[in-house]
Amino acid sequence: AQSVSQHNHHVILSEAASLELGCNYSYGGTVNLFWYVQYPGQHLQLLLKYFSGDPLVKGIKGFEAEFIKSKFSFNLRKPSVQWSDTAEYFCAVKGGSGGYNKLIFGAGTRLAVHP
Amino acid sequence: GAVVSQHPSWVICKSGTSVKIECRSLDFQATTMFWYRQFPKQSLMLMATSNEGSKATYEQGVEKDKFLINHASLTLSTLTVTSAHPEDSSFYICSAARDRDSYEQYFGPGTRLTVT
Repeated sequence: AQSVSQHNHHVILSEAASLELGCNYSYGGTVNLFWYVQYPGQHLQLLLKYFSGDPLVKGIKGFEAEFIKSKFSFNLRKPSVQWSDTAEYFCAVKGGSGGYNKLIFGAGTRLAVHP
Repeated sequence: GAVVSQHPSWVICKSGTSVKIECRSLDFQATTMFWYRQFPKQSLMLMATSNEGSKATYEQGVEKDKFLINHASLTLSTLTVTSAHPEDSSFYICSAARDRDSYEQYFGPGTRLTVT
């Protein structure tokens, strides 16, 4: 069965620090990978997605992620975080056969950015 | 565009009663809708997938007679928790996709259910 693991449950950073959130998945076939963000009191929003092609994917708000197939990883990065990036971040994978584009989510990483 | 709403945003009900949660796509037609459950500090767990006009597909371990899903139109899906118990207390989130081949899901704000 597919699974997604996010290594950090809580991350605390100061503004302007660099961010990297780890995400590993278990599935040997073709996968589609996603990062979602949930700001306090708001619904999940798509940050970026990888389907194919360039493994370095750029998303909204200065976020990017790199797909490394050999490591089954899809880590999220941002060179310089802002206070407004305080949120919970979820990695998700869709892969394999079966209909309806089922997403498997990681446990989430709660990021707190201090001014 | 692509806004999904849920109603109610939170609900408290007594053990043994049923509660219905609505999920609406406000500005697009959603052929496929998904229902997730999220426990505190845990990930979203897919409960079921519904396509407009057909029966929902439930994930393993999810009781279909307890969590009734109806997707009667292209803009509305409902989840009814029947004979609710305290262990059903959770955060329920829906998402919608324009069609079954679409990879992008748009999420609702969630409904917090507390069963007393």
